[in-house]
Amino acid sequence: GQQVMQIPQYQHVQEGEDFTTYCNSSTTLSNIQWYKQRPGGHPVFLIQLVKSGEVKKQKRLTFQFGEAKKNSSLHITATQTTDVGTYFCAGLEGGSEKLVFGKGTKLTVNP
Amino acid sequence: EPEVTQTPSHQVTQMGQEVILRCVPISNHLYFYWYRQILGQKVEFLVSFYNNEISEKSEIFDDQFSVERPDGSNFTLKIRSTKLEDSAMYFCASSAAGGAGELFFGEGSRLTVL
Repeated sequence: GQQVMQIPQYQHVQEGEDFTTYCNSSTTLSNIQWYKQRPGGHPVFLIQLVKSGEVKKQKRLTFQFGEAKKNSSLHITATQTTDVGTYFCAGLEGGSEKLVFGKGTKLTVNP
Repeated sequence: EPEVTQTPSHQVTQMGQEVILRCVPISNHLYFYWYRQILGQKVEFLVSFYNNEISEKSEIFDDQFSVERPDGSNFTLKIRSTKLEDSAMYFCASSAAGGAGELFFGEGSRLTVL
């Protein structure tokens, strides 16, 4: 079945440093979504990417979808303490309702 | 802002007991989901529900589990004869556009099976 791998599992940075998490799917995706989960919280939608090679930006966050629609990345520039949480990618195959989550990257930021 | 609400926030039960987790999805959404997250692990798909029937389910969603939309607002997950390994956070989610759109998650129901 479809698998979504995400690395790294943990990332610890100093405030102001950049952060990147990478996501790879075993199958071609129709879309990929990114969610953020604060400690003790629930997943909150960040963005959805649909097109091959798509790049989207939200302030300090940059999201990319690979040309083959099997990989994606999230890059945060100049991290802040408010960026702390676990970032999950979640991929959807065409014709499916089953959004498959990666294991997430837990980001901690030292002030 | 509209939100998905879940009750109870925490349920403690004995192994073998039945549990019902309740969710009120966002009112104009048509697609409903249950996911679970074992502590510190990834979010796992259980089931999707559309047009009053299950549209897709995972291998985790066996005969022990069932879902229902008993009225126009509630969406429930029933776990019959709970096992220790059912202990997890259960998230309900809803969407206006199915898998092709944003999922709105509730705050979750933590189930502890003793």
